[in-house]
Amino acid sequence: AQTVTQSQPEMSVQEAETVTLSCTYDTSESDYYLFWYKQPPSRQMILVIRQEAYKQQNATENRFSVNFQKAAKSFSLKISDSQLGDAAMYFCAYAAGTYKYIFGTGTRLKVLA
Amino acid sequence: GAGVSQSPSNKVTEKGKDVELRCDPISGHTALYWYRQRLGQGLEFLIYFQGNSAPDKSGLPSDRFSAERTGESVSTLTIQRTQQEDSAVYLCASSLGGGQGNQPQHFGDGTRLSIL
Repeated sequence: AQTVTQSQPEMSVQEAETVTLSCTYDTSESDYYLFWYKQPPSRQMILVIRQEAYKQQNATENRFSVNFQKAAKSFSLKISDSQLGDAAMYFCAYAAGTYKYIFGTGTRLKVLA
Repeated sequence: GAGVSQSPSNKVTEKGKDVELRCDPISGHTALYWYRQRLGQGLEFLIYFQGNSAPDKSGLPSDRFSAERTGESVSTLTIQRTQQEDSAVYLCASSLGGGQGNQPQHFGDGTRLSIL
């Protein structure tokens, strides 16, 4: 069965610094998608970044980038130049040929001024 | 255009009452999903609608839970005879096509349900 694990329940980062959130997953599929979603206190889940497993190149969206290690089944999110508005719950998710996303339990990111 | 809209934003009700939660997907999105998020936990899949196909109800936790969708528009999630363990945030999402990874899910703000 596919699983997604986020081993860091909470992380803190100083404003303007860089932080990396970890995510590992387990699958026997070779083709799949990985996502990072952000959930601020407003509760809305916002797609931050998406990675297609068949692409070697790591996805990047402005200050957000991923380190995708397919062999290690690792998908970490790096946030550069952290801002106060980055404070939120971050969820890693997996989808393989199906609409059923599998979500991790989340990492709460605190940004310190 | 408008995003996924959910109502009410918050709902407080007494144990044993029925509640109905509403979701308006993004226009043109054929797929619609309901999730439950208990405090401090990840998202738990409840039900999936895709066009006129039979919905996937495999995530519904009990027969007290049901959902309907009219065509490719509004969906309602109904919980009958609510129990305290039903307290959670209920999130709705929609996507183009089947949402198979290449068509990301877009979420609403959720409904926070509190059962007294």
